[in-house]
Amino acid sequence: DTGVSQDPRHKITKRGQNVTFRCDPISEHNRLYWYRQTLGQGPEFLTYFQNEAQLEKSRLLSDRFSAERPKGSFSTLEIQRTEQGDSAMYLCASSHLRSGLDTQYFGPGTRLTVL
Amino acid sequence: SQQGEEDPQALSIQEGENATMNCSYKTSINNLQWYRQNSGRGLVHLILIRSNEREKHSGRLRVTLDTSKKSSSLLITASRAADTASYFCATDPNSGNTPLVFGKGTRLSVIA
Repeated sequence: DTGVSQDPRHKITKRGQNVTFRCDPISEHNRLYWYRQTLGQGPEFLTYFQNEAQLEKSRLLSDRFSAERPKGSFSTLEIQRTEQGDSAMYLCASSHLRSGLDTQYFGPGTRLTVL
Repeated sequence: SQQGEEDPQALSIQEGENATMNCSYKTSINNLQWYRQNSGRGLVHLILIRSNEREKHSGRLRVTLDTSKKSSSLLITASRAADTASYFCATDPNSGNTPLVFGKGTRLSVIA
């Protein structure tokens, strides 16, 4: 257990529905990241926050995806009008940048299946 | 896009043997990190090596970094069945972007 929690752990939804995932980072960490991982691949970066500011978004993050970190603590990732191609593991990670090193601690992930 | 490429894609060894995994990357980096992922679980950070370091040890793990060849290796000595997992290298580009860039991973199976 790294101290990063994600909820839910599994989500099955029908195509076209909206889903929302939550990530609770390690409390003193100011950075929070979202990644997506498909079978047999490494995690791919989606977006990240420093405190409540969203600093970067990948081109992978289509307009159907939105992420928030309203108080600089937990974060939510929402996918609107889900498509079968959205099926993946969604990973959250947090870090506290020190001395230019960004060791990220990952949560257990939310596995999304879109039927 | 994924910068790192691990080699081999899959590795099967007997318990007690050493396992070596390699990672190559494309652009300059600030540091390189290795992570482990058990099936269907999150990633666990193993070790970080800075761009100005050449070798680092942590328990049964030994990591080397050759920035001239843009490559790194992870050696696990005296492997155990519990080491069975996927291992990923992740680079921290020194372009100013901090998100990690992961490779596709090496799937290690340690047979008891």
